Amino acid sequence: DAKTTQPPSMDCAEGRAANLPCNHSTISGNEYVYWYRQIHSQGPQYIIHGLKNNETNEMASLIITEDRKSSTLILPHATLRDTAVYYCIVRVPLNTGTASKLTFGTGTRLQVTL
Amino acid sequence: DTGVSQDPRHKITKRGQNVTFRCDPISEHNRLYWYRQTLGQGPEFLTYFQNEAQLEKSRLLSDRFSAERPKGSFSTLEIQRTEQGDSAMYLCASSDRARGGSNSGANVLTFGAGSRLTVL
Repeated sequence: DAKTTQPPSMDCAEGRAANLPCNHSTISGNEYVYWYRQIHSQGPQYIIHGLKNNETNEMASLIITEDRKSSTLILPHATLRDTAVYYCIVRVPLNTGTASKLTFGTGTRLQVTL
Repeated sequence: DTGVSQDPRHKITKRGQNVTFRCDPISEHNRLYWYRQTLGQGPEFLTYFQNEAQLEKSRLLSDRFSAERPKGSFSTLEIQRTEQGDSAMYLCASSDRARGGSNSGANVLTFGAGSRLTVL
């Protein structure tokens, strides 16, 4: 699975957009970008994923650059409840071959403040 | 079904004792994963089941660790002769192979809240 690089921490004011970057310059053509987050004392929670097109769901938007070497997770109106560690993971789909697991890095700790 | 359930949520034990954690996945999910997470680190993969078959084990899973999923439903993770280094959060996750189709990449993991182990 491709390695990802994320800033260790970021701050965001409540109500503003939080833009979390992720570099994945060694991504392969069939690898997806997944984002999970982990709120303190809880298990990780799936947010969104994408291959090459930008994606949006009820939680967030995912912007993937045209060369697919980086992406940005956007929380459009951050709230205090969005304070968490955000993990960017790049890998082939989970039902592809024998590669079955997600490999988490250390993520970005997002602190949303008043 | 309310999600992935793990029990117990917290376990404190003395070094050398055996402990067992249980995971009940989402009922229609045929894949089950165990991860371990230490303070300040992301979750680390331990092992993976598809139905009752254990298909992958991490090198982190020493001989003192054993995981089972006897009927392809719930799973247990046992740690024998616990050591202080085993202190961590043990996370279980499940996934449904069919969700989203094979080409969508939407084979996401749903995690439980974890079982926190403290070895004294």
